Amino acid sequence: ETGVTQSPTHLIKTRGQQVTLRCSSQSGHNTVSWYQQALGQGPQFIFQYYREEENGRGNFPPRFSGLQFPNYSSELNVNALELDDSALYLCASSPSVGLAYEQYFGPGTRLTVT
Amino acid sequence: SQQGEEDPQALSIQEGENATMNCSYKTSINNLQWYRQNSGRGLVHLILIRSNEREKHSGRLRVTLDTSKKSSSLLITASRAADTASYFCATGRGNFGNEKLTFGTGTRLTIIP
Repeated sequence: ETGVTQSPTHLIKTRGQQVTLRCSSQSGHNTVSWYQQALGQGPQFIFQYYREEENGRGNFPPRFSGLQFPNYSSELNVNALELDDSALYLCASSPSVGLAYEQYFGPGTRLTVT
Repeated sequence: SQQGEEDPQALSIQEGENATMNCSYKTSINNLQWYRQNSGRGLVHLILIRSNEREKHSGRLRVTLDTSKKSSSLLITASRAADTASYFCATGRGNFGNEKLTFGTGTRLTIIP
């Protein structure tokens, strides 16, 4: 059974640029969620995807967008990067839609915006 | 915003002792989950307790949920050095299509060998 993987591991971008983060869900999981974790804080829910559709969104502006592909992998896109976007971005997959199931997290992508 | 608030923010105990962490939340929930995170890496799921359950066990872990007080506790018995990590509670709420999992700020647990 393959766990959740994320790429890249680390990324440095400049304010105003755009970034794409990638996630491969655990085998057999059809739901992917993305979280942002600032240093010293708990993860904050960005959005969840199920069957290639967004299914729930947290308090993040539209410049945070996502995609889910037929193989259930996912991308997180952030446009017009701001310094406050510097954080650990976590992807989590679960075996079914909704948040009533345990989330299986990947190792995260550390994004630094300068 | 962070719905869950863990207490204490940091806890240091001797190996072999029991560790208790508390979580309080503000609005009604569907379930509450506890996760562990080592050194800024990905989170590991520990236990999920549904809103109609009061207590769950998993190995050395015991979770209680009191919906009337909007609080939960995580007990780790016979602690080990490997238990050193940050522990987060997360509340699941909302209806299908608008569900959210909201994490607290975490408790940093240090086990002293």
